[in-house]
Amino acid sequence: DAGVIQSPRHEVTEMGQEVTLRCKPISGHDYLFWYRQTMMRGLELLIYFNNNVPIDDSGMPEDRFSAKMPNASFSTLKIQPSEPRDSAVYFCASSLFLGNEQFFGPGTRLTVL
Amino acid sequence: LAKTTQPISMDSYEGQEVNITCSHNNIATNDYITWYQQFPSQGPRFIIQGYKTKVTNEVASLFIPADRKSSTLSLPRVSLSDTAVYYCLVGDKGGSQGNLIFGKGTKLSVKP
Repeated sequence: DAGVIQSPRHEVTEMGQEVTLRCKPISGHDYLFWYRQTMMRGLELLIYFNNNVPIDDSGMPEDRFSAKMPNASFSTLKIQPSEPRDSAVYFCASSLFLGNEQFFGPGTRLTVL
Repeated sequence: LAKTTQPISMDSYEGQEVNITCSHNNIATNDYITWYQQFPSQGPRFIIQGYKTKVTNEVASLFIPADRKSSTLSLPRVSLSDTAVYYCLVGDKGGSQGNLIFGKGTKLSVKP
């Protein structure tokens, strides 16, 4: 398996634009996680899915953020409209079970100007 | 959720053994202790997980005292490539989500 795949690796956009981040988890993993990492706040959980169903989205900062998982092999994190304070590295991770080893993707570095 | 406390940063030299301690005073009976490593510009990578006493793998050892209120990640004979951020997580394998709280970790700097 190629591991968790994220795209794009880098995204630069202007304030107010819509941003869509994509993730392909490891095949067979039932859990998918979205995290955000900044210097100020560290690595924060945004939302996680179990078998494509969102379980906990309490970490999503506000309504501008939304995440979907239409099937077992694909998930998106969308920010609309984007703001400069959304600039961060966004990681996607997957695991077989909750509490087991999480496998992280390479991350998407988002810069909102 | 069990709250974890670990040093913000540590310095070491090549060839030394490094021990990073994490405090988790309110760890629950069903909680496991998990450590991740993160290199710059990469996602975290699982290092080791344990419940009690000692766990060892090819990368590190994890020491957990009987009361389980703390744990120590031990890295033998570190090299420059061990410079990274190390995260301690505590949670069960159900729905407590403790294993999903990374915080800011411990930044280990290994010098020549």
